[in-house]
Amino acid sequence: AQKITQTQPGMFVQEKEAVTLDCTYDTSDQSYGLFWYKQPSSGEMIFLIYQGSYDEQNATEGRYSLNFQKARKSANLVISASQLGDSAMYFCAMREGTAGNKLTFGGGTRVLVKP
Amino acid sequence: DGGITQSPKYLFRKEGQNVTLSCEQNLNHDAMYWYRQDPGQGLRLIYYSQIVNDFQKGDIAEGYSVSREKKESFPLTVTSAQKNPTAFYLCASTHSTGRATEAFFGQGTRLTVV
Repeated sequence: AQKITQTQPGMFVQEKEAVTLDCTYDTSDQSYGLFWYKQPSSGEMIFLIYQGSYDEQNATEGRYSLNFQKARKSANLVISASQLGDSAMYFCAMREGTAGNKLTFGGGTRVLVKP
Repeated sequence: DGGITQSPKYLFRKEGQNVTLSCEQNLNHDAMYWYRQDPGQGLRLIYYSQIVNDFQKGDIAEGYSVSREKKESFPLTVTSAQKNPTAFYLCASTHSTGRATEAFFGQGTRLTVV
């Protein structure tokens, strides 16, 4: 079974609008962490935001926020006020409590921001 | 500036050759990782090392080998046993403790079999 599922292979978003990228996960651990990374066409992975399984509040980092619904095992990324530079691949990843610091990645969502 | 350096950026391999990808970090991180990315897909873990002189297989270790003789360095060898090595390879590192610690990535090496 997939541990991280990103069901949206690609999305278009209008500049200045908000976009939500879906991520669902599967784990039996009580302690885990969820990460979102951005990968521009150049290939590097850029860390965006982190949510811990015990964090009571949804994480926010500037224009990025994470909609964490623990019971549904979802950790959707919301990008507000999209910019042309947000065009990239976005990956959701999970670190499980018993797995050291290894990250398991989803298949990614490609976002294209239209002017 | 602290970071992770991968070299070369592009690498071409002939059939039957072994090639080694370099990964060096000056972040003083204990743990290092190698991931493989195929076009349009996510990252898959090849090998990881949490301390010097120790490493573990990831999900797709067959056809690859690593060493961790120094804290700063974690080279990956793609052997001739790897039947489909053409891919983008990313090296990463983290502090060994702290679940909230994000992984830092290098710029990647694009390997092509010719």
